[in-house]
Amino acid sequence: EPEVTQTPSHQVTQMGQEVILRCVPISNHLYFYWYRQILGQKVEFLVSFYNNEISEKSEIFDDQFSVERPDGSNFTLKIRSTKLEDSAMYFCASSESGGTREQYFGPGTRLTVT
Amino acid sequence: GQNIDQPTEMTATEGAIVQINCTYQTSGFNGLFWYQQHAGEAPTFLSYNVLDGLEEKGRFSSFLSRSKGYSYLLLKELQMKDSASYLCAVRDNNAGNMLTFGGGTRLMVKP
Repeated sequence: EPEVTQTPSHQVTQMGQEVILRCVPISNHLYFYWYRQILGQKVEFLVSFYNNEISEKSEIFDDQFSVERPDGSNFTLKIRSTKLEDSAMYFCASSESGGTREQYFGPGTRLTVT
Repeated sequence: GQNIDQPTEMTATEGAIVQINCTYQTSGFNGLFWYQQHAGEAPTFLSYNVLDGLEEKGRFSSFLSRSKGYSYLLLKELQMKDSASYLCAVRDNNAGNMLTFGGGTRLMVKP
């Protein structure tokens, strides 16, 4: 069964450093998403991406964040200058279409900022 | 904005039935989702309701009442492996395809 994959599974970085989290969505999916989950808290939407542009973003997704689809398979989330409060699990998700039932989540990248 | 409420924790016995409730407030309701999340893992899709009524899928069923802003997830014949968090999420017409999640209900299944 096709699945969303993410790398790395765990990333440790120092405050102020840039990180890039990578995702490979399911191949025939057209909509891509990033969510984050701070330990013990709810899953929070960051951004959705369709047709090579951002379609929605939340208040969390400020100028420090950017997304890119550099080629036909990868979808990346970049945090330019990490802060301690960026420590969280970052989930990538994809869906076939906008009105489809489910978004399929990847296994997540645990980002630890020290 | 949206407000989604669900109980923080529930405990049930192996073999029993448990109902996890979710209430929501949203201006442009366009679907309610239930996801299961084991500790340290990704959410996995369980069910989707956009019309009123009951959707059954094996041991899991989900119910929706749009007029009441209410849903529940029903788990039958509980197994130990059902111990997990159950996340209620809502999609809003005014917010595109983003899902807004509740805080999750941590279910503990005891022998």
